[in-house]
Formats: sequence, structure tokens, C-alpha cells
Amino acid sequence: AQSVTQPDIHITVSEGASLELRCNYSYGATPYLFWYVQSPGQGLQLLLKYFSGDTLVQGIKGFEAEFKRSQSSFNLRKPSVHWSDAAEYFCAVGGQAGKSTFGDGTTLTVKP
Amino acid sequence: DTGVSQDPRHKITKRGQNVTFRCDPISEHNRLYWYRQTLGQGPEFLTYFQNEAQLEKSRLLSDRFSAERPKGSFSTLEIQRTEQGDSAMYLCASSFTGGADTGELFFGEGSRLTVL
Repeated sequence: AQSVTQPDIHITVSEGASLELRCNYSYGATPYLFWYVQSPGQGLQLLLKYFSGDTLVQGIKGFEAEFKRSQSSFNLRKPSVHWSDAAEYFCAVGGQAGKSTFGDGTTLTVKP
Repeated sequence: DTGVSQDPRHKITKRGQNVTFRCDPISEHNRLYWYRQTLGQGPEFLTYFQNEAQLEKSRLLSDRFSAERPKGSFSTLEIQRTEQGDSAMYLCASSFTGGADTGELFFGEGSRLTVL
């Protein structure tokens, strides 16, 4: 069965600092991988996705993620965090019939 | 197109009452999914439709839960005899399967249920 692990429940970074959120997945075949962001009380917005090809993918709001098959990882990065990036971030792996399995999320706090 | 919309956004009910949530997907999307999200957890799959057919239900979906998608357009999720454990955010998502089945989902803003 597919699964997603986000090892960090909560991360705090200073505004302007770099960010990396970790994601590890378990999936039997070539995975479709996603990062979503959720603001309090809101639904999920897609940040970026990996289907195939270049293992470094660019997304919205200046985010990028790198797929590393050997490490079963898909970590999310941003070079300089803005206060508006404070939110909860979910990594997901796409599976059969388009159903996605999500990690439990990482809450990002941005210090001024 | 304004995206996936859900109604109501918030619902407070007493234990034992029935509640119904509605989801309007993106118009050209043929698949519609319901997920449940509790505090501190990621979304968990409940059920999905392809057009009007309900193709899979999670074991999380007890007999008190029923979902429909008449005519393959909007969908409703009804919870009968609500319990406090049903308190959660119910998320609807839609997708289009014209190409590969990638799992890219477009989410609504969710319906938050509080059972007192």
C-alpha cells in the first residue's frame, strides 16, 4: 500500500530564510507526487507536481521540489520565505483511480 | 469557471441529527472525490465517483454515510445520526481523466462539521 511520511510536524523559520520540508513516500511503481498548501479553514491548493522527466520541478509562489528515487523523497524548498507562506503543507502520492494518499502535513511558522 | 465549491462551509449540529453537504465540481471534470480531514491529519479518502457511478468507498465510510452524484454533476454527502467522532473537515475534489490517471486533484474549500 502506498504511504507518505512527513517527518516534521512543525517548522519555524525566519522571514527571508530558506526552507526545506521533507517528504518520503512508499509506492510500488513510478509515483505521481504532489505538494499542496492549506491556509487555516481553507481547502488545499496545488503548489507543484511531479509526473516524469526532470526531477527538479518548479511550482507556484517560488516553490520547487526535487524527486530522488533512490531516497524515495520529494522535498519541497524555497530560497527565501515570506510571512504569507505560513500555512500547512501536505505531500501526496497519486495512486490507482486518481486517488491520492496524503502525509499528515507540516505546519510552517514564519518569524518576522 | 470558479473552481470547486462546497456548501455549507460550516455546520454545527447536535449528536443524532442528519447533515448533508453539497459539492459542485469544476464543470468539465468527470471524477469527484470526498475526503475527510481531522485536526493534525492529512486528508483521508472516503469515496469517489466517475460521472454518476460511485466506484469505490473507503472502509472509513460507515453505513451512516451516503454519497450521491445524480447526473454526474454535483454531489451530496449525507451523514445520518451524527456522532461526535464525525466532527471533521469534509473536502471535495474533482479531476479530469482525459489523459493519465495522475491523481492531480482540485479541491474545494471544505465543509467543517462540528457535532455537539
